[in-house]
Amino acid sequence: DSGVTQTPKHLITATGQRVTLRCSPRSGDLSVYWYQQSLDQGLQFLIQYYNGEERAKGNILERFSAQQFPDLHSELNLSSLELGDSALYFCASSGQGAEAFFGQGTRLTVV
Amino acid sequence: SQKIEQNSEALNIQEGKTATLTCNYTNYSPAYLQWYRQDPGRGPVFLLLIRENEKEKRKERLKVTFDTTLKQSLFHITASQPADSATYLCALDMRGDSSYKLIFGSGTRLLVRP
Repeated sequence: DSGVTQTPKHLITATGQRVTLRCSPRSGDLSVYWYQQSLDQGLQFLIQYYNGEERAKGNILERFSAQQFPDLHSELNLSSLELGDSALYFCASSGQGAEAFFGQGTRLTVV
Repeated sequence: SQKIEQNSEALNIQEGKTATLTCNYTNYSPAYLQWYRQDPGRGPVFLLLIRENEKEKRKERLKVTFDTTLKQSLFHITASQPADSATYLCALDMRGDSSYKLIFGSGTRLLVRP
């Protein structure tokens, strides 16, 4: 168990809808990262937050947004969903060390 | 843009042999390079980190080398076991003054036959 909790584990929704994915980092970790992994694809970095502030951005679509709250949990909002958004979405957190600890992911299926 | 290449073909080896996985990168000089293991449908798990001034790092049956001139890292698993079968990801550790992101390669699948 990495200590990173993601909810929900599975999500099925229709095109055009909006969903929110939630991540609780390891206790004490200030950094949270979001990644997207499509079928047979690598992990694509989306965005990083550190102690509530956005610190780094990857190829995140404008339809996607994220935030980190004062209690350090983070949410990833995906709107106007398309079939191609179907993927595993991972959250990771890190503390003083360099390594990232990943959650078990949310599997999003857009139908 | 930065590019990370890992062999997309699966590596199929016999139990007990040494598995060697390659990670090549371009257009960047990371201060650190990390290796992760990912099992199907699960999140990646951190294995090893190597710094740019380190040539080699070991942990139990795992060994990582880092050649910043060749822009290449090699990941070795000695005395491989069927339980080592998984996808192995390398990641460039890209740090700025106030930002930090890990950029992953697409991974190499390792299959260890009993």
